[in-house]
Amino acid sequence: SAVISQKPSRDICQRGTSLTIQCQVDSQVTMMFWYRQQPGQSLTLIATANQGSEATYESGFVIDKFPISRPNLTFSTLTVSNMSPEDSSIYLCSVGYGRGYTFGSGTRLTVV
Amino acid sequence: KNQVEQSPQSLIILEGKNCTLQCNYTVSPFSNLRWYKQDTGRGPVSLTIMTFSENTKSNGRYTATLDADTKQSSLHITASQLSDSASYICVVILFSGGYNKLIFGAGTRLAVHP
Repeated sequence: SAVISQKPSRDICQRGTSLTIQCQVDSQVTMMFWYRQQPGQSLTLIATANQGSEATYESGFVIDKFPISRPNLTFSTLTVSNMSPEDSSIYLCSVGYGRGYTFGSGTRLTVV
Repeated sequence: KNQVEQSPQSLIILEGKNCTLQCNYTVSPFSNLRWYKQDTGRGPVSLTIMTFSENTKSNGRYTATLDADTKQSSLHITASQLSDSASYICVVILFSGGYNKLIFGAGTRLAVHP
């Protein structure tokens, strides 16, 4: 299975600022996924990041708020822009491999 | 509508006891069903993967069952340990438009007390 290194693990940010989250995978993968997990809730898919093309966003998520980069097959970033307290969540990246899915350890974001 | 519902929402048991978590789904077309364990502050980790034709699958003290006719799955934990305290998430995969789509349940938060 793939191993994902996600950072930062947590951060406290001021309202109106932006935070970029990074995910590094130990093998080449075609598709990477970004999820949000709000307190006490399950995971919600934000977008799918494909190398060499623009990310595909789910309903309710827009590129201006959550820009994604995917410069190669082992790396991706998610930026949470112009943050508000409502953006306080855990953000996770994920990759598919064979029949499985691996998740990063998550970034716990608190916006104050 | 594709949905995954888990019960109970939370559960407290004593160390050494068994417990069973439930997952009901209305997902079509069904590809497979997975149970994940998510420790606090960590990402989900896969416990089991079950396809349409599999009824039971074990991973150590974890045993998952699947009834594709009634669209129900369960996760049974035997001889619970303090380290089993976590959220357990049921995920159903559907295959549509050439891609897999993951449908997540809200999870069951398990607390094992000494």
